[in-house]
Amino acid sequence: GQQLNQSPQSMFIQEGEDVSMNCTSSSIFNTWLWYKQEPGEGPVLLIALYKAGELTSNGRLTAQFGITRKDSFLNISASIPSDVGIYFCGGGSNYKLTFGKGTLLTVNP
Amino acid sequence: DAGITQSPRYKITETGRQVTLMCHQTWSHSYMFWYRQDLGHGLRLIYYSAAADITDKGEVPDGYVVSRSKTENFPLTLESATRSQTSVYFCASSERGGRDEQFFGPGTRLTVL
Repeated sequence: GQQLNQSPQSMFIQEGEDVSMNCTSSSIFNTWLWYKQEPGEGPVLLIALYKAGELTSNGRLTAQFGITRKDSFLNISASIPSDVGIYFCGGGSNYKLTFGKGTLLTVNP
Repeated sequence: DAGITQSPRYKITETGRQVTLMCHQTWSHSYMFWYRQDLGHGLRLIYYSAAADITDKGEVPDGYVVSRSKTENFPLTLESATRSQTSVYFCASSERGGRDEQFFGPGTRLTVL
């Protein structure tokens, strides 16, 4: 089946720092989605990408759909304590999403 | 309120019992999905449905049964629960499957003793 490699697995940063995480695959995807999950809650959609090369921002978050359609990255600028959580990428094919295992982000105030 | 809801939010059951987890969405999305989330495995697809009365297996379907008689509901049944089915279960929906945004419910935390 399709596999996604998400890295890093975890990050511990200081408030105000920028963060970058990425997902790579050997498979081509039609869409890339980025989610954030907080304890006890379901994943919440942050950014959706639909075209190779697309660069999309949502506030301090920026994500890009890789030109090969096999990768995507998410950047968070000027991190704040409420950014803590697990960030997931999802690669979309015809009917389903395949998810990375997540990046656990901890922000030290 | 519009959105996707799951019930119950928490469930404790015993090995061998039948358990049904409910999922309801108000967007009239065509696709609905059931995932389980376990430490070290991330989100794994159990079953999905492309429309009412159309369901198909995902990555880990064994031990689970689904039905979709109405577009807005997609219940997941564990016919004879096992300890390995202790997990957090998420329901999600989207209009166009993997080609579209997918929205998740709040989850059901199931413990099988």
